[in-house]
Amino acid sequence: QVQLVQSGAEVKKPGSSVKVSCKASRGTFTSYTISWVRQAPGQGLQWMGRIIPVFGTANYAQNFQDRVTITADESTSTAYMELSSLRSEDTAVYYCAREGEFCTNAVCYTDWFDPWGQGTLVTVSS
Amino acid sequence: QSALTQPASVSGSPGQSITISCTGTSSDVGSYKLVSWYQHHPGKAPKLMIYEGSKRPSGVSNRFSGSKSGNTASLTISGLQAEDEADYYCCSYAGSSTFVVFGGGTKLTVL
Repeated sequence: QVQLVQSGAEVKKPGSSVKVSCKASRGTFTSYTISWVRQAPGQGLQWMGRIIPVFGTANYAQNFQDRVTITADESTSTAYMELSSLRSEDTAVYYCAREGEFCTNAVCYTDWFDPWGQGTLVTVSS
Repeated sequence: QSALTQPASVSGSPGQSITISCTGTSSDVGSYKLVSWYQHHPGKAPKLMIYEGSKRPSGVSNRFSGSKSGNTASLTISGLQAEDEADYYCCSYAGSSTFVVFGGGTKLTVL
């Protein structure tokens, strides 16, 4: 079973950027789709975007379109999420998760997220 | 404000059953069977409990069940146990522009 291990906690200044990593162990990384989801304090889960490593293609939620970049390095089975122009509201726990898809008639749809990484706390503070 | 609406909290006694609702729109829950539910204990990674509306992953107790009617999906937990106390989130596919939306989460308290 694949496991996802994320990088450690970060403290960043407003206006800076943060890059969080998510390393997959076991399984075939290139066959996965990896999504990023965050949870701000006292808030619910919020999907940020995803990447299909074998194609190198990424999709982003509209709320983050201008500030987030998701990449993947197949050679190290690692996905990355970089968020720029950080503000205090970006203080949150960031999770990566493997995305399962439901495919029919050659079209695939996001179905589930499992497993999840352990989460990375990013604190934005001056 | 989350795209899917869940009650902020529900509670039940051990052995009882509870149901958590998840209301969306015809653009997400109402259009796709792709509703999933996650159990989240604070400080831990979320855990997939239900996918495709009513399917259970291997290893998830059959006390957990899911259903959908129109724009509303539901998660039912029967035979409540202390370890079920957690936050629960619903999630739905929402089309090729929005992709995915989550609910705001429901805190389950086992009395």
